[in-house]
Amino acid sequence: KNQVEQSPQSLIILEGKNCTLQCNYTVSPFSNLRWYKQDTGRGPVSLTIMTFSENTKSNGRYTATLDADTKQSSLHITASQLSDSASYICVVSARAPGDTGRRALTFGSGTRLQVQP
Amino acid sequence: GAVVSQHPSWVICKSGTSVKIECRSLDFQATTMFWYRQFPKQSLMLMATSNEGSKATYEQGVEKDKFLINHASLTLSTLTVTSAHPEDSSFYICSARKDRTISNQPQHFGDGTRLSIL
Repeated sequence: KNQVEQSPQSLIILEGKNCTLQCNYTVSPFSNLRWYKQDTGRGPVSLTIMTFSENTKSNGRYTATLDADTKQSSLHITASQLSDSASYICVVSARAPGDTGRRALTFGSGTRLQVQP
Repeated sequence: GAVVSQHPSWVICKSGTSVKIECRSLDFQATTMFWYRQFPKQSLMLMATSNEGSKATYEQGVEKDKFLINHASLTLSTLTVTSAHPEDSSFYICSARKDRTISNQPQHFGDGTRLSIL
């Protein structure tokens, strides 16, 4: 069964500090891994997407890493801002023959980050 | 680019009524659209996948007669919650993808519709 587990479930940090969120997955066959940011009451917004051959990808203050051997990914946030307060969701896509629409994505339950002044 | 718009963003209605939620891709053509449901502090749960011009594929446990999905054009999909009851209250989110044959195509999410059934 494909699964994505994220840790920690929630995290509180002070503004300006760095933090790292973790994602472990057991999705096969692996296609790609994405990190999304979801503000309360809004839809998820894509931060990064990485395929099997990519180890790291950055988007501003967000840097995602991927270790396909250990099936782990992390999202590092540098110099946090109050606006970083949100849920961060790790989503892993499995390759599927034919119609790739159904059952292609496995969502983690997210890490709720709160940045305090 | 790649903006997905959902309407309405918030709806309150009485038990027993039907509610229609629209999902539009504003600046691209979406061959595939997805409908998700999200309960508080939980992640998204896929309800169904719809490809333009064909019937939606529902996930196990999702009643297709309860949640009617129409994807009549490449820019519009609708979800109708029929005879809604309080247990249907949730946050419904749609997403759209340009090309269903390319798995690396990202899904672009709408901002969700908060449905409250009294």
